[in-house]
Formats: sequence, C-alpha cells, structure tokens
Amino acid sequence: NAGVMQNPRHLVRRRGQEARLRCSPMKGHSHVYWYRQLPEEGLKFMVYLQKENIIDESGMPKERFSAEFPKEGPSILRIQQVVRGDSAAYFCASSPPFKATDTQYFGPGTRLTVL
Amino acid sequence: AQSVTQLGSHVSVSEGALVLLRCNYSSSVPPYLFWYVQYPNQGLQLLLKYTTGATLVKGINGFEAEFKKSETSFHLTKPSAHMSDAAEYFCAVSANNQGGKLIFGQGTELSVKP
Repeated sequence: NAGVMQNPRHLVRRRGQEARLRCSPMKGHSHVYWYRQLPEEGLKFMVYLQKENIIDESGMPKERFSAEFPKEGPSILRIQQVVRGDSAAYFCASSPPFKATDTQYFGPGTRLTVL
Repeated sequence: AQSVTQLGSHVSVSEGALVLLRCNYSSSVPPYLFWYVQYPNQGLQLLLKYTTGATLVKGINGFEAEFKKSETSFHLTKPSAHMSDAAEYFCAVSANNQGGKLIFGQGTELSVKP
C-alpha cells in the first residue's frame, strides 16, 4: 500500500510566478490536510479537504493561496504570485473519514524555494 | 483554543542515556495527543498517540509517553538513546471539536553523541 505521495519534492520559482503542489493520499483515504513548515518553525495547519469539499481553511492566507481536492486526481495546493516569504516545506497528510483520534499519514513534503 | 509548548528546541544526549523530550498542552476539551518524528528532508512519522484509556502509551522504536492531565503534559521518553534516534520530534494536539487538524509544537531537535 503506497504511502502519501507528493510532487514535486523540490520546486523553485521566481517571485511573481505560480506554484502548484500535488498530493495523492493513501489508498482508501478521503481526507487531506495541508501544513506548512517555515524555517526553524513547527508545522502550521493550512487547510482540510474532503473530495470536492473544503472543510476547514482557517489556516490559509487570505490571498494568493487556494486548495482543491477534486473527485478524480490529486489534491492541489496553489500559490499565485509567490513571494520570498512563501519559501517553506509544504506537507500533505491523509486520513480515513474523520475521527479526531485517527492518525494522519504524512507525505515527504514539497520544498518550495522562491528566488 | 488549543496550543502545544515543547520545552527545549535542542536536546543533546549521549548514546545509551535516557531521552526526555517535554511537551505541555493547553486544551479546553479532552485532548488527543501525538508525537511525530521527522528525519532530515523527510515527512513526519507517527511515534505514538494518546486518545483515551491507559495514560502510559508505548510507541515504536522503544519510545513511550505518559499523559498527565493534572500537569497538562505528555512527555516523550526512551530509556536508552540510539544514534539512529537523532531527528526532530514534534508534539501535537487534536480534538473532536477541531475537525481533526493537528496543532503542533515548535519541535525539539534531538542529537545523540557517541
């Protein structure tokens, strides 16, 4: 059973460009979470999605950031017009249908560098 | 609101010595508590979790943690450190009324000296 997959593993963008980060959850998992890890900091929750629904986006910056989890295909975290402060590691986690006690399984992360 | 505080951003121990990583939490509802480990340039791996029941929780790689409600703590221990334990460790809290999202501490980097 493959784990959570994220691609690309490393992404370099210039200021003003768009970044698209992809996450394929574990088989049988219908819930996806995105977290951001800034240098020297812990992980911060960004957004929680089910298929075709955003459940909780309380951690998402108000502008330039969006996320989706379509019926078919991976979850996408999209950052428009990137700035240097967006440089971070972005982690995706998946879990079975929601229980707060469930383990979230993390992918290897996408490390975004904005030049 | 929930929060997690990990005391000590860096902890260094000798191989074979006791490992103690501290975690205190704040929660207005019964918490669910997790310890994750992160090796360099990798994702997070679950070490152990507390949901309900027995307050002493055993995890992988010889780690265990004890939930102490009176002290609002969930410290991680291992009797004898291995070189392979060198990594970053994160404590996290979740709750039924938070929709499953994890609130993480700042992390503790564990170094193991030969």
